[in-house]
Order: sequence, then C-alpha cells, then structure tokens
Amino acid sequence: QQQVKQSPQSLIVQKGGISIINCAYENTAFDYFPWYQQFPGKGPALLIAIRPDVSEKKEGRFTISFNKSAKQFSLHIMDSQPGDSATYFCAASIPSNTGKLIFGQGTTLQVKP
Amino acid sequence: DTAVSQTPKYLVTQMGNDKSIKCEQNLGHDTMYWYKQDSKKFLKIMFSYNNKELIINETVPNRFSPKSPDKAHLNLHINSLELGDSAVYFCASSLRGQGISDTQYFGPGTRLTVL
Repeated sequence: QQQVKQSPQSLIVQKGGISIINCAYENTAFDYFPWYQQFPGKGPALLIAIRPDVSEKKEGRFTISFNKSAKQFSLHIMDSQPGDSATYFCAASIPSNTGKLIFGQGTTLQVKP
Repeated sequence: DTAVSQTPKYLVTQMGNDKSIKCEQNLGHDTMYWYKQDSKKFLKIMFSYNNKELIINETVPNRFSPKSPDKAHLNLHINSLELGDSAVYFCASSLRGQGISDTQYFGPGTRLTVL
C-alpha cells in the first residue's frame, strides 16, 4: 500500500522526441506527487509536482498528467534534449507532519543527439 | 553558498569499522532527512528530524544512529559497518516537513564503500 511503482526502468529517446514515464500507487491517502531529477553524481532535485485535485500541470517542456481514478500519474518531457539525460523519480507523500516521501524505483533516461 | 552540504563525499572503509557522515543546511529549514540510495538507485528514507526531534525512524538496523545537534545539522553515525551498508547516503532538508508542497532539497551525497 505504501509503494509507488514506476516504469519503465530505462528509456532511450531521440532528441526532439517525447519521453513518458509512468507511476502507479495504491494508497488513496497520498496527497502530493513530486517528480525529482537526478544527474550522475548529484543529489535529486525537485522538477515538478502535482496535487490530486489537479489533472495536469505543465512547466515548460515538463508536464505531469494525473489520473486519480486510475491511481496513476505520468511525466511527459516534450522536445527531449540530451541535457535531459538523467534518472527521474516519481514520489508520493501522505498527509502528515513528517514530510515522508515514498519514491518510485527510478527511470534512467538517455536522450540521443 | 551551498544549500545542503555533506562531508565526506567519498568514504571507503573496512568491515567492522565505525564511521560518521555530516550534513549541514543553510536554508533555515526546520526538517532534515537521511536517505539511502542503493546500487539500483532506489531511494529510501531512513530518518528525519524536525527541530532536533526525531520524527521518522524507518526500519533501519540500530547500528545506524542519527544525531541532530541543532536544526541546521544532522549527522549519521554507523557502527560495525557491513558490506551491505555500501550505498550513497543523501541528506535533505525541507522548510516544515509537512509533505504537501514542502520541497525537499538534497545534498550531493556521500558514497560509502565497505570493503
């Protein structure tokens, strides 16, 4: 119930293409869904986040689509660039005063020039 | 002017040794965290402190002991190191530790290798 399942594990996309990463969850108490981006040798950094009362959020080339009934959400990277090559993590948070995040397994994205 | 810093960046040690990792944040945040990232890049919360009070204590061997001398610092001490402790350990901080819209800022990580 506390898990967040992420797929695919790895993804190769051509420059200019669309990268899509999917996540699914079971616990309907989750109320905050951030995506983190991690470059090799660096710590994860927040990329974009969404709350379950919104179906889509867009920031530049990055869009989260959220399907509350299916308990799924996805990250779309439009016009993917080689600089987007990184590991992406979806996460979910339960309402609490702890800030605890449950992370997905991660997706390693490679954008080929 | 690094927001969340960790020392050391690399740590190579023998099994059975005791080691510490230090973390400092200059963001004025109330909450700090320790995460473990394994060789498959899976990120898992270990501990969290809010204003020096332990608020998350996941199922972690009691060889791991966090300590927060003040709200800007969170250290991790590991006793009797084992091969399975080899991983990258990340420190993070957030303003309030209240999940929703409370961004966690991660440090650069400490790569621990136990031989």
